[in-house]
Amino acid sequence: DAKTTQPNSMESNEEEPVHLPCNHSTISGTDYIHWYRQLPSQGPEYVIHGLTSNVNNRMASLAIAEDRKSSTLILHRATLRDAAVYYCILRDLSNDYKLSFGAGTTVTVRA
Amino acid sequence: DAGVIQSPRHEVTEMGQEVTLRCKPISGHNSLFWYRQTMMRGLELLIYFNNNVPIDDSGMPEDRFSAKMPNASFSTLKIQPSEPRDSAVYFCASSPFRNQPQHFGDGTRLSIL
Repeated sequence: DAKTTQPNSMESNEEEPVHLPCNHSTISGTDYIHWYRQLPSQGPEYVIHGLTSNVNNRMASLAIAEDRKSSTLILHRATLRDAAVYYCILRDLSNDYKLSFGAGTTVTVRA
Repeated sequence: DAGVIQSPRHEVTEMGQEVTLRCKPISGHNSLFWYRQTMMRGLELLIYFNNNVPIDDSGMPEDRFSAKMPNASFSTLKIQPSEPRDSAVYFCASSPFRNQPQHFGDGTRLSIL
């Protein structure tokens, strides 16, 4: 399975943007990039996914590098509720049901 | 809409006892997943069902673990006999189809003494 690398932790101030990087240098052409987050004492929650083009939804934006070897999850205005562990996951077509969670990035939001 | 419902939320039992965890997926979802989360190993996929049929159980740790899905609205994960190393948070998730975003329940925190 192609691997992802994320920083262990990041801090942000409330109402400021948060940019969460993810490196996936061994990504294959058919791997989708998925982001999930896990709030304290809850199950993971889907955030966003993409293949090649940048994607936006009500929760976040996903910026994908042109060579697809890295991507960035953008939370436009962090709130205290955005404090969570954020997981960047590659999902390939051969096992398209599989989510392989790494350690993720723990995001702390300061009031 | 109701999300994925898991019960119990917490379970504390002594080693050697049988433990049964329950999951009700979102109505209309045809894929169901069981995961386990520990500090040491993170989140691991245990088993995946499609249309009530187990497709991938390669993550099930050993024969003490078994999972069933008798119908589209109910699944169980059973541990018999339980051991202290089985202590973890167990999550159930469902999705409309196998490659679509997964919706997770709030988990069952299991402690084996």
